[in-house]
Amino acid sequence: EAQVTQNPRYLITVTGKKLTVTCSQNMNHEYMSWYRQDPGLGLRQIYYSMNVEVTDKGDVPEGYKVSRKEKRNFPLILESPSPNQTSLYFCASSLWAGNEKLFFGSGTQLSVL
Amino acid sequence: KQEVTQIPAALSVPEGENLVLNCSFTDSAIYNLQWFRQDPGKGLTSLLLIQSSQREQTSGRLNASLDKSSGRSTLYIAASQPGDSATYLCAVETSYDKVIFGPGTSLSVIP
Repeated sequence: EAQVTQNPRYLITVTGKKLTVTCSQNMNHEYMSWYRQDPGLGLRQIYYSMNVEVTDKGDVPEGYKVSRKEKRNFPLILESPSPNQTSLYFCASSLWAGNEKLFFGSGTQLSVL
Repeated sequence: KQEVTQIPAALSVPEGENLVLNCSFTDSAIYNLQWFRQDPGKGLTSLLLIQSSQREQTSGRLNASLDKSSGRSTLYIAASQPGDSATYLCAVETSYDKVIFGPGTSLSVIP
């Protein structure tokens, strides 16, 4: 089944403890991206990647890192999480950037205490 | 800077009604516009994608239109059903490959 898989689904952590949210797609998509969704602010793009080893900042990249060493994987790294990063995170992918539908993962609900 | 807005923020209609959701964007330099559906606690599902050179797209009871010059898109849902209840979001892909989402319209279809 074609899908975007995020893990974990729920995560509670404490301030400053490094964490990684994984994202994997099995559709051989070139374009992948991360978003956070907050009440009243909607979905905002954090980082995106056009292909392996190519990443770019979205609108809210501060406090996040990403890497794209393989086409299928695009992990989101929070080196030192803070409470303002408590949010619902989504990974998405498409065949390539521009004029292709985006496929979304099920989301990761992160709480930073 | 591209901004996307959606009106109304919430909508409640009786089953069987036709309805229109609106999306506006400030910069007409877009690659495409997508309409998504989001169910509570779940991810987004792409419903329709309209390329910048297109005027509309249709899928079943859904029809989306795009007017780039005026910065507007509409999503028309015919003969609404309770299963259509969800939040509907529009998003534009800009010339820098960024995707900007609107805040969404929460739709409730009452049986």
